[in-house]
Amino acid sequence: SQQGEEDPQALSIQEGENATMNCSYKTSINNLQWYRQNSGRGLVHLILIRSNEREKHSGRLRVTLDTSKKSSSLLITASRAADTASYFCATDARSNYQLIWGAGTKLIIKP
Amino acid sequence: DTGVSQDPRHKITKRGQNVTFRCDPISEHNRLYWYRQTLGQGPEFLTYFQNEAQLEKSRLLSDRFSAERPKGSFSTLEIQRTEQGDSAMYLCASSQTGAGALNPYGYTFGSGTRLTVV
Repeated sequence: SQQGEEDPQALSIQEGENATMNCSYKTSINNLQWYRQNSGRGLVHLILIRSNEREKHSGRLRVTLDTSKKSSSLLITASRAADTASYFCATDARSNYQLIWGAGTKLIIKP
Repeated sequence: DTGVSQDPRHKITKRGQNVTFRCDPISEHNRLYWYRQTLGQGPEFLTYFQNEAQLEKSRLLSDRFSAERPKGSFSTLEIQRTEQGDSAMYLCASSQTGAGALNPYGYTFGSGTRLTVV
């Protein structure tokens, strides 16, 4: 069964706007990761946040983690057409080699 | 080394046939993972190698599935007597260590092998 659940399932915004995606999970974790997947391609690691961290930044990406609510959010600022992709969260709830994934958020950036 | 390579990119096979996929990880990475992804879903863990040792197998990996990593380098995933339910993207990933304190970079995935069983 999937550990994470992304919300929304799909998001369509205008280029230049900010995009926020959320992830909820069920059991305690050591870390949570976000990945991007372009259509029909492999997954690209975006950012990892540890359970003792609350916020992390990488370029236009901002990730937050609330372990009390078992949730995380990914914010992409100043979106670009190239950001069009599916975004997945993954947790190490079982072990650090078996990631548990959500079903992803499909993000479409309209030019 | 340009990343994780998977071959073939696409495979169409008739039900009942055997198929084999290959994964070449990043050479410095001692950990190798196989995941399966169906349309509209996140990846599901199949198996994990540390060097040449297969340390974990998911219950999703029936006896028709076998994976090897001879000499701790490339890995192969074989599916025998394929069924239509095996149609999916098969993803390989590698990492130097587990994701966490020693490895903030997560896993490096290949582009996957898309299997269609007809």
